[in-house]
Order: sequence, then C-alpha cells, then structure tokens
Amino acid sequence: DTEVTQTPKHLVMGMTNKKSLKCEQHMGHRAMYWYKQKAKKPPELMFVYSYEKLSINESVPSRFSPECPNSSLLNLHLHALQPEDSALYLCASSLQRADTQYFGPGTRLTVL
Amino acid sequence: QKEVEQNSGPLSVPEGAIASLNCTYSDRGSQSFFWYRQYSGKSPELIMSIYSNGDKEDGRFTAQLNKASQYVSLLIRDSQPSDSATYLCAVTSGSSGNTGKLIFGQGTTLQVKP
Repeated sequence: DTEVTQTPKHLVMGMTNKKSLKCEQHMGHRAMYWYKQKAKKPPELMFVYSYEKLSINESVPSRFSPECPNSSLLNLHLHALQPEDSALYLCASSLQRADTQYFGPGTRLTVL
Repeated sequence: QKEVEQNSGPLSVPEGAIASLNCTYSDRGSQSFFWYRQYSGKSPELIMSIYSNGDKEDGRFTAQLNKASQYVSLLIRDSQPSDSATYLCAVTSGSSGNTGKLIFGQGTTLQVKP
C-alpha cells in the first residue's frame, strides 16, 4: 500500500484566516515532504522532514509553518497568506530521504 | 541551463504507437531518477524509478538511463488515450547528498489520439 492521504481536498481562505493542511501515511515512511504546485508548473519543494525533524526549508515565507507531530503525520499551518499562494499543495513520503517519493492527492488552496 | 530539462510538448502520437519522452540533467552526482505521470488537476503518480545505467521495463513502460550522457528517457509502448497526461522527470540532487531533494523538469505533455 502506497497511500498518502491529505485533508482537506479543497480550501478557500481569506488573507487574515488561519488554517491547517493535514497529511497522513501509515507505510512506516520516515521522510515526509511538502510541495507547492502552480498551474502548468512542476512541484516546488517547500519542506523536508526526516525522522520528525525539519531537514530542509527551501526559504519558504514564515506565513507557512510546518509541523511533524509524529512519524505518520505532517501538518502545514497557514496564516496571513497572499492570493499568489493559491496553488495545489502536495504532501509526499518516502521510506528514507532520497528514496522513492509517493504523493498524496493534494489540497487545492484558494486565497481570496 | 536548467537542472532538469524536458521538451514541454505537446507530444502527439496515435493510439498504439510508441511514445518517447526524454530528459537531460546537469548534476553528474545525481543518483536516482524517476518518472511521474500527472493528469490535469491530480497529483503526480510514480511510473518508474531507475538507478543504474541501462533499461528497466515495467509492463508497457521502459525507462532508459545513460549517466555518461546525463540522459534518461521513458518509452511507452502501445500508447492508449488514457496515457494522455503530463510526464514529469525527477532527479535527486546529487550535490546535496542524501537530502531527499527532488529536482523536477517542466514536464512533457503527451496526447494520444484515438
């Protein structure tokens, strides 16, 4: 089973709202990732967690705050976003870093 | 020079033909290579992974890797309309070691016409 789940599927939020995206996997993977994907562009890496510790932050603005409460869960907390942050947010996981990454279905985020 | 380059297409092939998708990369230290398929509005789905020079076959799909030429390709035999999608080539960042950072190409759009 190579299933990564993400909730919610769709999210609309105002620029002053606080919301969170959730990602879950039960494959025993120890690396988890957040990507952002704009239309007709490839995914862009935002964060990498390895063994619940943040190992890569690709200079992402502080209005995006990742959290890895345990080995199965990855959250992305959103606050004071801008309309240009509207995108598909993808979570992925892999057994270890540099192993094959499996993507979740994504959360379609719209910021008004 | 982009780190991972793909022809954006669209690549149009008739049903039943062989589709050939190509990718070049600049980092000689890259160790792992992946092809993902992405339907419009959906997330990337792993098609193939390849780590050593040569060919790797899985059903109708064959990945080919040539590290000396820094080239990786994907062949799709007996193309079906359901294969119409964007194909993303992804390469691990060799210079950053074992970080898990994937570098994606811009993707090639494949259209299979009935």
